[in-house]
Amino acid sequence: GNSVTQMEGPVTLSEEAFLTINCTYTATGYPSLFWYVQYPGEGLQLLLKATKADDKGSNKGFEATYRKETTSFHLEKGSVQVSDSAVYFCALSRMAQKLVFGQGTRLTINP
Amino acid sequence: NAGVTQTPKFQVLKTGQSMTLQCAQDMNHEYMSWYRQDPGMGLRLIHYSVGAGITDQGEVPNGYNVSRSTTEDFPLRLLSAAPSQTSVYFCATAPGGRGLSNQPQHFGDGTRLSIL
Repeated sequence: GNSVTQMEGPVTLSEEAFLTINCTYTATGYPSLFWYVQYPGEGLQLLLKATKADDKGSNKGFEATYRKETTSFHLEKGSVQVSDSAVYFCALSRMAQKLVFGQGTRLTINP
Repeated sequence: NAGVTQTPKFQVLKTGQSMTLQCAQDMNHEYMSWYRQDPGMGLRLIHYSVGAGITDQGEVPNGYNVSRSTTEDFPLRLLSAAPSQTSVYFCATAPGGRGLSNQPQHFGDGTRLSIL
């Protein structure tokens, strides 16, 4: 079946550090891939997406590239800010929008 | 526009009680869904609907019922609450139609439910 595995957290970084959150997936065919972010007390918001191999999604300084050869969709940001503190979810969608989520990675950025 | 509105935000129930979690959207989205979020497990799909009058089961449907009589509303019913249903519940929507799997979902702010 379809599944998503994320880097376990929590992750704690200092402001302006480089961020990588690993995400790998297992799926039949060609899924669409997403990163969602959840701020405290809120629902999930789309951060970025990629719908085919080698696509790069980007938003708010975050990037992720759909790598079919390694079945990965790692999230990166060159210089994190305190406001980036949140829980990040990698997800795939294969059919009828049945999103399959990873377990989430809690990120804390210290000033 | 309100987007996706979930009520109530918090609820405490006793084992065996029933209740309905409400989800309303004003975006005219065809697709609506319910997820539960548990620590260390991400979000798991409970039920979904691709349009009024059509519902289907997700990954963890047991103990939950849904119906979709209008485009705007998609209530989730717990018929006999159990402690294992303590969770945070999210409703999410998407435009639907062609290219559904590529569409990002729009989430409500969640309902935190505790079953004693």
